[in-house]
Formats: sequence, C-alpha cells, structure tokens
Amino acid sequence: KAGVTQTPRYLIKTRGQQVTLSCSPISGHRSVSWYQQTPGQGLQFLFEYFSETQRNKGNFPGRFSGRQFSNSRSEMNVSTLELGDSALYLCASSLATSNEQFFGPGTRLTVL
Amino acid sequence: EDQVTQSPEALRLQEGESSSLNCSYTVSGLRGLFWYRQDPGKGPEFLFTLYSAGEEKEKERLKATLTKKESFLHITAPKPEDSATYLCAVRAIVGGSYIPTFGRGTSLIVHP
Repeated sequence: KAGVTQTPRYLIKTRGQQVTLSCSPISGHRSVSWYQQTPGQGLQFLFEYFSETQRNKGNFPGRFSGRQFSNSRSEMNVSTLELGDSALYLCASSLATSNEQFFGPGTRLTVL
Repeated sequence: EDQVTQSPEALRLQEGESSSLNCSYTVSGLRGLFWYRQDPGKGPEFLFTLYSAGEEKEKERLKATLTKKESFLHITAPKPEDSATYLCAVRAIVGGSYIPTFGRGTSLIVHP
C-alpha cells in the first residue's frame, strides 16, 4: 500500500509570495492533517480535514488555509509569506480523526 | 503553558543498555496518546496508540505504558538502528477544537 505523498519536496519562495502544497493520503484514509515543524517550535498542528470539511484548527493566522477534495487529496496554501514561515510542512492521513496518523516525507519550504 | 513535556531532551546509550523515555501531559479529556519515531529528514513514523491508564503496547524492543499523567517508552537492549527522535503526542479538547499536541521529542543515540 502506497504511503502518504507530498509535493513538492522542496520549495524556495520570497517574502510576500504565496505557496500551495499538495498531499495525497493513503488509499482509504479520509482524514488529512497538516503540521508545521521548526527547530524552535517543534511540530505544531495547523488543521485537519475529514470528508472535505475542516474539523479542527490549530492556532495559526488566517494566512494559512487548506482544503480537501472529494478523493481525499488535500492542499494547503500560505499567503503573504514571511521569513518565519520557513519550515518543514508535514501532511498526515488517518482513517478517521481519532486514529493514528501516518505522515508523509514533508515539504521543505524556505522563504528568502 | 506546555501541555506535553518530554524528557530527557537527549539520551545517549550504549548498545544493549536499556532505558526509558518520559512523556508527561497536563491536558484534560484525553482522547489518545501517540508515540512516533522520526529519523532525520523524514516524517514521523507511527509506533503506538494508548487510550487509557494501565494500557501497555509492545513492538520489538519498545514498550509503551500509560498512566493518568504520563507515558513511558521503554527501550530494551537497544541497537544503533533505534537511534532517532521519539515524539509523543496527545489528542484532547483545546479551545473547542479536538487537536493533537506534540512534545519536543527525545533525541536518542545508541552507540555500538
């Protein structure tokens, strides 16, 4: 069974730009969560989608948004990028919102 | 205030030297405690889920236990390939949202 895939794996942007990251969950998984991982803050929860609806949201500004499609694939968007947005962005999928999550390899975003 | 605290931050062991990692939490309404392993440059890999005090789970050289305020990950006779960062996460109601909160992790190095 294929794991969680994320594209692109690496991305370099400049301040003020926006970026869209993509995540394909494990087949059959309907819940997709997004996380930001930085050396200073560790792994922080962004939001979670289940059946195309945002079910839970972490404490991030509105510049961070996401969506989920009918095939469970998900995208997250960050607008007006700031230097502090440089991080590893991880996507995780699970059968339901309360189950164990399986993570993708992440997208390394660098904001210059 | 940190809701999930892991200790120690770093741990060096000799091959075969057993030890335990600690994860203490202060959330109410726990809906599961999860252990993950993360290798450098990769996404976290799921290890265990624990739901109630007294529960134990085992996998190869790892054993996870849960009390009402903390969880332990016991590593018996570790090998160099067990070197990784071990992350603990809890799911609980926070501000009306049902979100996962991760600890900062314990970086484990096992010397041959």
